Amino acid sequence: AQSVTQLGSHVSVSEGALVLLRCNYSSSVPPYLFWYVQYPNQGLQLLLKYTTGATLVKGINGFEAEFKKSETSFHLTKPSAHMSDAAEYFCAVLGGFKTIFGAGTRLFVKA
Amino acid sequence: NAGVTQTPKFRVLKTGQSMTLLCAQDMNHEYMYWYRQDPGMGLRLIHYSVGEGTTAKGEVPDGYNVSRLKKQNFLLGLESAAPSQTSVYFCASSWSRDSEAFFGQGTRLTVV
Repeated sequence: AQSVTQLGSHVSVSEGALVLLRCNYSSSVPPYLFWYVQYPNQGLQLLLKYTTGATLVKGINGFEAEFKKSETSFHLTKPSAHMSDAAEYFCAVLGGFKTIFGAGTRLFVKA
Repeated sequence: NAGVTQTPKFRVLKTGQSMTLLCAQDMNHEYMYWYRQDPGMGLRLIHYSVGEGTTAKGEVPDGYNVSRLKKQNFLLGLESAAPSQTSVYFCASSWSRDSEAFFGQGTRLTVV
C-alpha cells in the first residue's frame, strides 16, 4: 500500500530564505509523486509532479523537488521564499486509482 | 474555464438531516473524487469514480453515498448527517489515474 509522511506540520522561514518541505513516501511500485499547494479558502492546485525520467522536477512559482529512490523522499524546495508562498503544501502519491495525500505542511513566511 | 465547480459553498445542517453536494466538471475527465479535509489529517478520500456509472469506496466511505449518472457530475450524499461529518469537502477530477487532479473550491459543511 502507498502512504505519505510529511515531516513538520508547520514550517516558518524568513522572506528570502530557503524553503525546504520534507516528504517521505512508501510505495510497492514505482511511485508517481505530486506536490500541491492550497491557499486560504481555496482548493488545491498542482505545483509539480514526478512520474518517470529526470529525478529533479521543476514546478510553478520557482519550486522544485527531487525524487530520491534510495531515501524514499520527494522534498520540495525553493531557493528564496516570498510572502506570497505562505500556504499549505501537500505531498501526494498515486495509489492505484486514487491519490493519497500527506497531512500537509503549513508554510509561514516572515518579513 | 469553469473547471470543477462545487455547490453549495457553505451549509449548516442539523444532526439527522440529509443533503447532496454537487460537483460538476467541464473538462471531460473520466475520474472524479470526493475528499474531506480535516485539520492535521490532510485530505482523505471518501468515494471515487473511474467513469460514468461507476463508483468505488475510498478510505472513509461510511455515512456517505455517491452517484455518477452523467460523466460531468459526481454527487455526494449524506443520508443522516452527524457532527463528525463537519468538514470541508473537496471534489476533484482527472483525465487518467496518473494525471494531475483538478480541485473545486470546496464546500464547508457544519453539522450541529
